[in-house]
Order: sequence, then structure tokens, then C-alpha cells
Amino acid sequence: EDQVTQSPEALRLQEGESSSLNCSYTVSGLRGLFWYRQDPGKGPEFLFTLYSAGEEKEKERLKATLTKKESFLHITAPKPEDSATYLCAKLNYGGSQGNLIFGKGTKLSVKP
Amino acid sequence: NAGVTQTPKFQVLKTGQSMTLQCAQDMNHNSMYWYRQDPGMGLRLIYYSASEGTTDKGEVPNGYNVSRLNKREFSLRLESAAPSQTSVYFCASSEAVSRVMGAFFGQGTRLTVV
Repeated sequence: EDQVTQSPEALRLQEGESSSLNCSYTVSGLRGLFWYRQDPGKGPEFLFTLYSAGEEKEKERLKATLTKKESFLHITAPKPEDSATYLCAKLNYGGSQGNLIFGKGTKLSVKP
Repeated sequence: NAGVTQTPKFQVLKTGQSMTLQCAQDMNHNSMYWYRQDPGMGLRLIYYSASEGTTDKGEVPNGYNVSRLNKREFSLRLESAAPSQTSVYFCASSEAVSRVMGAFFGQGTRLTVV
């Protein structure tokens, strides 16, 4: 079964305390791996696209990396405004076009 | 900059009632999508429209119908609502299906079926 698994489900950090979120996925047919941020009561907001192992993308305090089996979202010196649910998703070759397979998300809370 | 606008934001239905969720985008995007998000589950694709005049089933289409009214608007209809359809519904749009990963999402419609 095509799956995307995120861990941990929830993560509480103190402001400035760096950490990483994990996204593991079934590898077959992978066309891309994507990260999103979702604030309460809002739709997901696109952050990063990763296509091949070894690729890295950065945006402010966030850095996304990709290996052959998993992706990490590293958060360096987080601030309270980084609090949100972070979703990862994959897109496969074949199957329904446009069918992103989403993980359940990691809810990040950053306390001042 | 409206982006993707969904109406209504909240709705309570009785089992068996019907309703239509409306979605409109002002970014001249070709492709539009309907997802549902349930607690403890990831977002799941219900239907999508690759371009005006076309619609296709996603992962969980049963119990739903869609209409791509024009390039801007993509509606989702529940003909006979069931409690299992209680969820948050998100509409999204992208330049093309190949660009789905960068889709812009609306703010969601929270639907409760009692």
C-alpha cells in the first residue's frame, strides 16, 4: 500500500531548540516529495519540493532533505511563529494524476 | 489577492440532505482539486479537474459529484449526506496537474453530518 508516515505526531520545543521532523515513504514510483505547513483553520501552504536523494532545500529556519527512503525537515533555532502542523506528501508516477499521498502530519509547538 | 475561495466555511447537515460546496480561484489556474481531511488521517483526494471541461475521480470519490462550471469554479456536491462525510473539505488549484505539488489551497469547509 502506498504510504507516507510522519513522526513524531507532535513535537514541543523551546524557542531556539533545534530539531527534525521525519517523513518516510514507500519508494515505488516516487516522482517527488513535498513539504507543507498548515496553520489551524487554514489550508496547507506549500514549502518545498524534493526530487532526488541528496537534494536539499532551505527557507529561513527550515531545511528539507531527501534520502532514498525518507525526508527530514530540520528546524534550526525555531521561533513561536513556526508553530504549525507540517505535512509531507509524495506524488507517484501512474495512478490518478494529481493524487498527492499525504502523511498525517507533525504538530509542532514552539514555546517562548 | 483572494486566491482560492470556498463557501460556506461551516455547515451542519442532517443525514440524507444534499448540499453543494463552492470553490472559486482567481489565479487563472487550469487544474482544480477537492480534498477531505479527517482527524488522524492525511488529506485524501476526492475528485480533480485537470482542465476546464474535464473531471476525474481521486482516491475517495464515492458519495460525491463534481462540476467544473468554468475555468474559475469547481463545485463538490453531496447528494445524500452521511455521517461518514463529516470532515473538513479543501479545494485547491494549480497551473496544471503536473504542478499539483505547488497547489494553492482554500481555507476549508468544515462539514458536520448529524
